[in-house]
Amino acid sequence: EAQVTQNPRYLITVTGKKLTVTCSQNMNHEYMSWYRQDPGLGLRQIYYSMNVEVTDKGDVPEGYKVSRKEKRNFPLILESPSPNQTSLYFCASSSGTVRDTQYFGPGTRLTVL
Amino acid sequence: GQQVMQIPQYQHVQEGEDFTTYCNSSTTLSNIQWYKQRPGGHPVFLIQLVKSGEVKKQKRLTFQFGEAKKNSSLHITATQTTDVGTYFCAGHLGYSTLTFGKGTMLLVSP
Repeated sequence: EAQVTQNPRYLITVTGKKLTVTCSQNMNHEYMSWYRQDPGLGLRQIYYSMNVEVTDKGDVPEGYKVSRKEKRNFPLILESPSPNQTSLYFCASSSGTVRDTQYFGPGTRLTVL
Repeated sequence: GQQVMQIPQYQHVQEGEDFTTYCNSSTTLSNIQWYKQRPGGHPVFLIQLVKSGEVKKQKRLTFQFGEAKKNSSLHITATQTTDVGTYFCAGHLGYSTLTFGKGTMLLVSP
């Protein structure tokens, strides 16, 4: 089944404790991205990757890192999480570019205390 | 900065009533996509509009792209409880980025 998976689905952590949210897609998609969703603010793009080893900042990249060593995986790294990073995070992928249909993962709800 | 504005933020209708959400951009969009997110779920692609003045239909849903490619709308005829969710428009303002509107949350009462 074609899908985007994220792990973990839920995470409660404390300020400053490094964490990684994994994202994997099995559709051989080239474009992958991360979004955060906050009440009243909609979906905002954090980082995106057009292909392996090619990543770039989205609208709200501060406090986040990403890597794209393999085509299928696009982890989101929070080196020193802070409470303002408490949010619902979605990974998405598309076959060619951002102009193609975006397939979203199920989401990761992160709480930073 | 460049934005995609969406109104209304929230709408509550009785089942059978119509519903419309509007999306506006300050700049010309190359294309626009619409997504639906059910409560507790993730955004799911509905449709993409590319041409100026384009109109597409999916059963009770009608999507329009403005002549100037700066606005779009989604109209649902005779809403059903299964239409509940948040509807997002998303436009390509940058070459490689997708900017989402803040969404319209639709609640349908039986």
